[in-house]
Amino acid sequence: QKEVEQDPGPLSVPEGAIVSLNCTYSNSAFQYFMWYRQYSRKGPELLMYTYSSGNKEDGRFTAQVDKSSKYISLFIRDSQPSDSATYLCAMSARSGGSYIPTFGRGTSLIVHP
Amino acid sequence: DGGITQSPKYLFRKEGQNVTLSCEQNLNHDAMYWYRQDPGQGLRLIYYSQIVNDFQKGDIAEGYSVSREKKESFPLTVTSAQKNPTAFYLCASSRTEQGDTQYFGPGTRLTVL
Repeated sequence: QKEVEQDPGPLSVPEGAIVSLNCTYSNSAFQYFMWYRQYSRKGPELLMYTYSSGNKEDGRFTAQVDKSSKYISLFIRDSQPSDSATYLCAMSARSGGSYIPTFGRGTSLIVHP
Repeated sequence: DGGITQSPKYLFRKEGQNVTLSCEQNLNHDAMYWYRQDPGQGLRLIYYSQIVNDFQKGDIAEGYSVSREKKESFPLTVTSAQKNPTAFYLCASSRTEQGDTQYFGPGTRLTVL
């Protein structure tokens, strides 16, 4: 079993839909949880980071962490065609003085007009 | 503008040649990382460095080498010993707060001819 599982998709939705992207994990020591957006042939861009459990909102994006279920989510409201990209989850735990993140494989999102 | 730069954007190499990929950051981050990204496989860690003149192997270090002589720079050499070097290479850097959340450069696409 991989430490971080993420459905590769593609997930196709109409413009304006609410999108839910998810990752599950097995390492209960993970403390920091991140979401990155990656456009084709570009570097990943940090969207959200969360420490421990709870929700965090930034504009149309909401990140949710449920440590009891080992499950994290990213919600995108009023999705736009410009949101079409691959979304990577990442999470980290302290190990030997550093936090090397473990990444999911990414979910491809397509928002069609 | 603060950020991470990688050069070149595209690189072509003949089999048997070593090539060096450049990564520079002006974010004053202590830690720097190199990842390889292949279709459907997510990000795989090659090398990382937490401090100048020190670096550690990641999950797939064989056939690669790095140096960290300056805080701002972390070049990656892909040697002829790397059996399948064609990939998208990403450099990242992080600060020690916020669980070492990583920020990525734009990437270098290496193709072996």
